[in-house]
Amino acid sequence: DAGVIQSPRHEVTEMGQEVTLRCKPISGHDYLFWYRQTMMRGLELLIYFNNNVPIDDSGMPEDRFSAKMPNASFSTLKIQPSEPRDSAVYFCASSPSPGLADISTDTQYFGPGTRLTVL
Amino acid sequence: LAKTTQPISMDSYEGQEVNITCSHNNIATNDYITWYQQFPSQGPRFIIQGYKTKVTNEVASLFIPADRKSSTLSLPRVSLSDTAVYYCLVGGDNQGGKLIFGQGTELSVKP
Repeated sequence: DAGVIQSPRHEVTEMGQEVTLRCKPISGHDYLFWYRQTMMRGLELLIYFNNNVPIDDSGMPEDRFSAKMPNASFSTLKIQPSEPRDSAVYFCASSPSPGLADISTDTQYFGPGTRLTVL
Repeated sequence: LAKTTQPISMDSYEGQEVNITCSHNNIATNDYITWYQQFPSQGPRFIIQGYKTKVTNEVASLFIPADRKSSTLSLPRVSLSDTAVYYCLVGGDNQGGKLIFGQGTELSVKP
């Protein structure tokens, strides 16, 4: 398995532009998570999905952020309009459903991240 | 969700055993203890998970006392490549992914 795939790996944009980050979870995983990591705030959970349905978006900073999961193999995180304070590394992670005997509970598999710089 | 407390940083030398202790006084009955490792410019990676007593895998050991209010990640004979940030997390049975990452412990292994 290729693991969690994220694109782009690096994104540089100007303030006010729309940014779309993409994620392909591991096949068969029912949960998908979006995190943001900065030096100041560490690793923060933004939103997560279960079976393509958003379950908790309380970590989304504000209305400029939105996330979708149109199918089991694809999710996007969109920032519109972007601001310099959105600069961070954005990680996508996926995990299987609990209860599978050979899968550790709460094991999340992270992608390589997208480093976003908003000028 | 139980809050965790761990040292901000630790230094070690190659070949030594490193023990990182995490406090989680408010751990709930159905909570598991999970450790992740994060190298620079990479996403966190699952290392080990346990509920009670001791768990060992090819990477590390996890010691959990009977009261489960703390846990210790043990890395045997560390090498330079073990330099990373180590996160201790407490959560229950994939409760909707509510894993809260604290600041972690930055381990620096020196030659």
